[in-house]
Amino acid sequence: EAQVTQNPRYLITVTGKKLTVTCSQNMNHEYMSWYRQDPGLGLRQIYYSMNVEVTDKGDVPEGYKVSRKEKRNFPLILESPSPNQTSLYFCASSSRLAGKSLNYNEQFFGPGTRLTVL
Amino acid sequence: AQKITQTQPGMFVQEKEAVTLDCTYDTSDPSYGLFWYKQPSSGEMIFLIYQGSYDQQNATEGRYSLNFQKARKSANLVISASQLGDSAMYFCAMRENGAGSYQLTFGKGTKLSVIP
Repeated sequence: EAQVTQNPRYLITVTGKKLTVTCSQNMNHEYMSWYRQDPGLGLRQIYYSMNVEVTDKGDVPEGYKVSRKEKRNFPLILESPSPNQTSLYFCASSSRLAGKSLNYNEQFFGPGTRLTVL
Repeated sequence: AQKITQTQPGMFVQEKEAVTLDCTYDTSDPSYGLFWYKQPSSGEMIFLIYQGSYDQQNATEGRYSLNFQKARKSANLVISASQLGDSAMYFCAMRENGAGSYQLTFGKGTKLSVIP
């Protein structure tokens, strides 16, 4: 089954304790991305990766790091979490689909990780 | 300026009735895609429908259709014959091809409640 997986699904941690949220996709997608969702703000992009070893900042990258050493994995790292990073996090992946419109890039979302930083 | 605007924070609809969720967008890129996602209370993001800027016809997917008015820069989602399971948050999103980042820019969402 084609899917994007995230772990953990729920995490409660304390300020300053480094954590990593893993993301993995089995669709051989080139593009992967992290979003955070906050009430009233919709989803905002944190970082994205166009391919292995290629990453770039999204709209809200401060306080986050990512890496893309393998095509299937795109972990999100919070080196020193703070309470304002309490949020719902989504990983997503997509690829250009043969035969589809050039503009078509459905992004497949993971189930989300609900993070609370105390 | 916001790239995606959803002006209805919340909507109510009677079961079996049709409902329109509004979305306007702002871009100078001639090549772009518009998406609608559904987010039920369980939290997952479910892709509903897509419209490309060069598509001549409005997109349809089952009970979902997209009322695409390019000159007005609007991409409203129409749900026909509403069901109780349609109660959820709905997000409109846009991808601009010229940006080269594959980024989806989301609106703030509309919470739809279907009344029995």
